[in-house]
Amino acid sequence: QKEVEQDPGPLSVPEGAIVSLNCTYSNSAFQYFMWYRQYSRKGPELLMYTYSSGNKEDGRFTAQVDKSSKYISLFIRDSQPSDSATYLCAMSTNTGFQKLVFGTGTRLLVSP
Amino acid sequence: NAGVTQTPKFQVLKTGQSMTLQCAQDMNHNSMYWYRQDPGMGLRLIYYSASEGTTDKGEVPNGYNVSRLNKREFSLRLESAAPSQTSVYFCASSDFGTGRFFGPGTRLTVL
Repeated sequence: QKEVEQDPGPLSVPEGAIVSLNCTYSNSAFQYFMWYRQYSRKGPELLMYTYSSGNKEDGRFTAQVDKSSKYISLFIRDSQPSDSATYLCAMSTNTGFQKLVFGTGTRLLVSP
Repeated sequence: NAGVTQTPKFQVLKTGQSMTLQCAQDMNHNSMYWYRQDPGMGLRLIYYSASEGTTDKGEVPNGYNVSRLNKREFSLRLESAAPSQTSVYFCASSDFGTGRFFGPGTRLTVL
């Protein structure tokens, strides 16, 4: 079993929809959670980073962590075609993020 | 501020050939990493350098070597390329408590 599981998609939504992207994990020691966005033929870029449980909001993006269920989510409000990309979750047990475990990514397609 | 840069962007090799992938960062980060990304496998860590002068193996180090040339530069060498090394290679850097900052990638095909 992988430490971090992510549905590969693709997830297809119309423009303006609310998108929910999710990851589950098995290691209860994970405390730091990140979301990366990767456009086709580009490197991943860090979108959001959260510590422990709770929510964090940044513009149209909200990251949510439920440590009791070992489940994290990224919500995108008012989705745009420019949000079409692969979204990878990543998590670490320690402050320094020396070991960062990535999910395989969910491909999102937002149609106009 | 260019962030993380990688050269070359694309490369085609024949089995048995060697090559070096170059990476440089201008963010004064201490740690640097080499990953490969394959469909369905996600990002897998090949080697990393926690600080200048140190290197360590990641999940999939076989067939690769690395050199941390200085604080800015971290190279990945394939001594004898194999078709199984066909992949997209990403270099990344980070500092304590930051996420990884990735370069644009090198697409390598080994025939």
